[in-house]
Amino acid sequence: GQQLNQSPQSMFIQEGEDVSMNCTSSSIFNTWLWYKQDPGEGPVLLIALYKAGELTSNGRLTAQFGITRKDSFLNISASIPSDVGIYFCAGLYGSSNTGKLIFGQGTTLQVKP
Amino acid sequence: DTGVSQDPRHKITKRGQNVTFRCDPISEHNRLYWYRQTLGQGPEFLTYFQNEAQLEKSRLLSDRFSAERPKGSFSTLEIQRTEQGDSAMYLCASSQNIEAFFGQGTRLTVV
Repeated sequence: GQQLNQSPQSMFIQEGEDVSMNCTSSSIFNTWLWYKQDPGEGPVLLIALYKAGELTSNGRLTAQFGITRKDSFLNISASIPSDVGIYFCAGLYGSSNTGKLIFGQGTTLQVKP
Repeated sequence: DTGVSQDPRHKITKRGQNVTFRCDPISEHNRLYWYRQTLGQGPEFLTYFQNEAQLEKSRLLSDRFSAERPKGSFSTLEIQRTEQGDSAMYLCASSQNIEAFFGQGTRLTVV
């Protein structure tokens, strides 16, 4: 079935640094969503991308929908301690109109103050 | 709070017992999803409702699992004869179109 591969698996950075993570697939996706999950909580939607090449920002977060529709990246600028968590990409693939999402395995971010 | 609400937040049960979880979606959302998440993994799709109709079920949803959304509002997920492998976080999400909003999840531990 469809799979999303996220990299890196984990990151440990200094407060103030910029962060970049990406998500790739062998299949074409129509929509990419980025979520953040804190321990013991549900994922929280950060950014949604709907068109190939689209670049969208939400505060210090910027995400792009790859031109090939098989990848997406998320950047976080000037990281702060509350950015700690697990970041998931999720894709809506093919002709699916159910809204069913395929999730990556997550990128765990740790920020050192 | 008008977000997705799940109850209970935590459930510990003995193997072989039945458990039921409840999800209250965002009120104007007609789509409702159940996902399962195990440690170190992303959420995996279980089932999808459009209003009261269950339109899709994953192969992960064995015969011991059943989900309902009787009036197109809240939903329940029941697991019969629980097994240790059922231990996971069960997440509910709702949406009007594509952007799905998740609840806080129910953490199930089968001992």
